[in-house]
Amino acid sequence: KQEVTQIPAALSVPEGENLVLNCSFTDSAIYNLQWFRQDPGKGLTSLLLIQSSQREQTSGRLNASLDKSSGRSTLYIAASQPGDSATYLCAVRPGQGGSEKLVFGKGTKLTVNP
Amino acid sequence: DAGVIQSPRHEVTEMGQEVTLRCKPISGHNSLFWYRQTMMRGLELLIYFNNNVPIDDSGMPEDRFSAKMPNASFSTLKIQPSEPRDSAVYFCASSLRRRRRDSPNYEQYFGPGTRLTVT
Repeated sequence: KQEVTQIPAALSVPEGENLVLNCSFTDSAIYNLQWFRQDPGKGLTSLLLIQSSQREQTSGRLNASLDKSSGRSTLYIAASQPGDSATYLCAVRPGQGGSEKLVFGKGTKLTVNP
Repeated sequence: DAGVIQSPRHEVTEMGQEVTLRCKPISGHNSLFWYRQTMMRGLELLIYFNNNVPIDDSGMPEDRFSAKMPNASFSTLKIQPSEPRDSAVYFCASSLRRRRRDSPNYEQYFGPGTRLTVT
């Protein structure tokens, strides 16, 4: 059974700092991995999707990497801003049978202090 | 595009009552997902449909839960009878599944959620 873990559960940093969020998964047989952002009381916003054949994806100040063999992904946020404060969720799509099911971690709550 | 639309946004009901949550996926998307989010268990997939057909309902907790997708633009999740432990935020998401397995971008787009409180 695929399990996704995110460490740390919460992180507080000063504005302008570069930071890394971690995601690990137990079964390397994945189709893709997706990073989401969730603001309080709101739905999830997709940030980046990495296919299993890719090593990284970039969007603006965000860079996500994927190391399938070790079951790890990182989300790098450059020059953090208070507006980045949110919960960041990692999800993997298991690679068997064409299922579209996503398995989520419990998230890292990020606070960027001005 | 309006995105995934869910209603109601908040629902407070008494134990034993029937609850119906509604979802309108993004136009053109052919997969629809129902998730539940709680502090203890995080986000869990309840059921998903592809082309209006239920594909995986292994996450549906028990017979009190049922989901339907009568057409490509509408889905319901019903709880009958509701219990306090059903209190959670329920999210609907949709995606476009292409036929080719190597096609990229199976991103799921989430609605704002329905916060359900059962007293």
